[in-house]
Amino acid sequence: AQKITQTQPGMFVQEKEAVTLDCTYDTSDPSYGLFWYKQPSSGEMIFLIYQGSYDQQNATEGRYSLNFQKARKSANLVISASQLGDSAMYFCAMRGDSGYSTLTFGKGTMLLVSP
Amino acid sequence: DTEVTQTPKHLVMGMTNKKSLKCEQHMGHRAMYWYKQKAKKPPELMFVYSYEKLSINESVPSRFSPECPNSSLLNLHLHALQPEDSALYLCASSQKTGGTEAFFGQGTRLTVV
Repeated sequence: AQKITQTQPGMFVQEKEAVTLDCTYDTSDPSYGLFWYKQPSSGEMIFLIYQGSYDQQNATEGRYSLNFQKARKSANLVISASQLGDSAMYFCAMRGDSGYSTLTFGKGTMLLVSP
Repeated sequence: DTEVTQTPKHLVMGMTNKKSLKCEQHMGHRAMYWYKQKAKKPPELMFVYSYEKLSINESVPSRFSPECPNSSLLNLHLHALQPEDSALYLCASSQKTGGTEAFFGQGTRLTVV
């Protein structure tokens, strides 16, 4: 069984500052994938960034980077230079072991960016 | 085109109604998924289709009936739903079974009255 834990129900950050959203995971699979998705109030799940368990380097996508610490089983999302449009729910997710791209999600963190 | 399109965006239905949710993608993806998301909760997997065949059913009640008529289309037929089935229903697709990210549609907000 796989488990994703996001311990921050809500986070506040000022515009242009950096913010870290925490995610820890648990799995017995030797190979797995970790994802971050953004969900605005409109409902769509927007893919942000992916980290494979065997990737040597931390993933980066524009203002998003993933701080992957395998030994600690953590995959924190770092958003640099926050923008007002970053206000949304953020989900950490793990690819399931079914062989499909099924996702197990954490409970999410609501990020609010203030001017 | 990295779009997954879901229709309708909003749906209100009575407990005796029959309705269908539609999902379409033109990315050539061969795996498609239905998720259910209750308010303030994370999405939960309902069904997985791989190459137009049902591969995973997460013990979903039979009042939800999925259908994959072709590789681009995924339907979810609804019948005799309960008010507790009110939720956001998200469709997703992925390039292959395992290894890549899933692209989501913007969902259908379903209210059962």
